[in-house]
Amino acid sequence: QVQLVQSGAEVKKSGASVKVSCKASGYTFNRYGITWVRQAPGQGLEWMGWISPDNGHTDYAQNLQGRVTMTTDTSTTTAYMELRSLRLDDTAMYYCVRSQGDINFDHWGQGTLVTVSS
Amino acid sequence: QTVVTQEPSLTVSPGGTVTLTCASSTGAVTYGHFPNWFQQKPGQAPRSLVSSTDNRHSWTPARFSGSLLGGKAALTLSGVQPDDEAEYFCLLYYGAAQVFGGGTKLTVL
Repeated sequence: QVQLVQSGAEVKKSGASVKVSCKASGYTFNRYGITWVRQAPGQGLEWMGWISPDNGHTDYAQNLQGRVTMTTDTSTTTAYMELRSLRLDDTAMYYCVRSQGDINFDHWGQGTLVTVSS
Repeated sequence: QTVVTQEPSLTVSPGGTVTLTCASSTGAVTYGHFPNWFQQKPGQAPRSLVSSTDNRHSWTPARFSGSLLGGKAALTLSGVQPDDEAEYFCLLYYGAAQVFGGGTKLTVL
């Protein structure tokens, strides 16, 4: 069965970086995209961007350009999302989602809570 | 800045029918926006319900149906059950970017 298992919760200081992992299993990794979505406490969902494990193509949300990098390691079928220069308002639950290309979403990871403190 | 708008809250009686909508600030929502719908219950990760306007996933109950309605994407729940009480989000595709709606809190009362 398809599974996306994310890394554990992180606590970071503002200005630091965080790297969240998403280990995929149960399907051919290269055939689907991985999209990253975040949700601040009590707020809605925010699309952060996506990556194609097949060719490494990425698209990022405009408001995160320059601070976010999404990568994949096909040998371990793991996707990564790194966010730099963390701010207090980056405190959120971060989710990875499997997608067909970048348009159809199905399986979600369990989420990784990133807390940014001053 | 593209804005996707959903009803903030809706209430429906058990066994009833309710339609949630998803509008785009750029104009009519079309099949080219590949609308996706998600359900989220408190303390849980979101769950995908519908992709590309009207394609249910294998785990999505048949009482959920997606469509385009009056220039918006729509999610209709027929024969609503108490377990359907949740927040529902839509997502629209705009080429190299995608935008979530603000979510609709559905109360079953």
